[in-house]
Amino acid sequence: ETGVTQSPTHLIKTRGQQVTLRCSSQSGHNTVSWYQQALGQGPQFIFQYYREEENGRGNFPPRFSGLQFPNYSSELNVNALELDDSALYLCASSNSDREGHFGPGTRLTVL
Amino acid sequence: AQSVTQPDIHITVSEGASLELRCNYSYGATPYLFWYVQSPGQGLQLLLKYFSGDTLVQGIKGFEAEFKRSQSSFNLRKPSVHWSDAAEYFCAVAPPSGTYKYIFGTGTRLKVLA
Repeated sequence: ETGVTQSPTHLIKTRGQQVTLRCSSQSGHNTVSWYQQALGQGPQFIFQYYREEENGRGNFPPRFSGLQFPNYSSELNVNALELDDSALYLCASSNSDREGHFGPGTRLTVL
Repeated sequence: AQSVTQPDIHITVSEGASLELRCNYSYGATPYLFWYVQSPGQGLQLLLKYFSGDTLVQGIKGFEAEFKRSQSSFNLRKPSVHWSDAAEYFCAVAPPSGTYKYIFGTGTRLKVLA
């Protein structure tokens, strides 16, 4: 059974740029959630996708957007990057057992 | 407001000593409860979860947690800590229905002395 994978591992961008992060969900999982973890903080819920539809959103501006594909993999897109967007971005997949399986994360640095 | 509080930011214990990490939550109804562990630069690994039933739950790596409804608490325990347990520990809650999103605490960083 393949776990949740994320790419890239690390990323450096400058303010104003756009970034796309990718997540492959665990086999059999149809729900993907994205979290932002700032340094020294707990993860914060960005949004969730279920069967290619957004299924809930946290307190993040519209420049954070996402997609889920038919194979349940997902992308997180962030436009107009700000310095405060620097964080570890975590993807979690789950199914009907409502247990989140997290990937290793993508470390984004905005300069 | 829904929230999770982990009162201890840092905890230091000696190897072989017992451990208890505290977690309190504020939620409208009894949520699903979780403990996750995060090693430096890594993602989150599930230690244990509570959905319903027996209030003492066993997890991986010798950890256990006790749900106390009257105290809105879900404290994590381990009888004998190993050096490899040094990591950051997060308590989280999730709703039993609807959009499945975790609310995490701010974490407790555990240091283990040899």
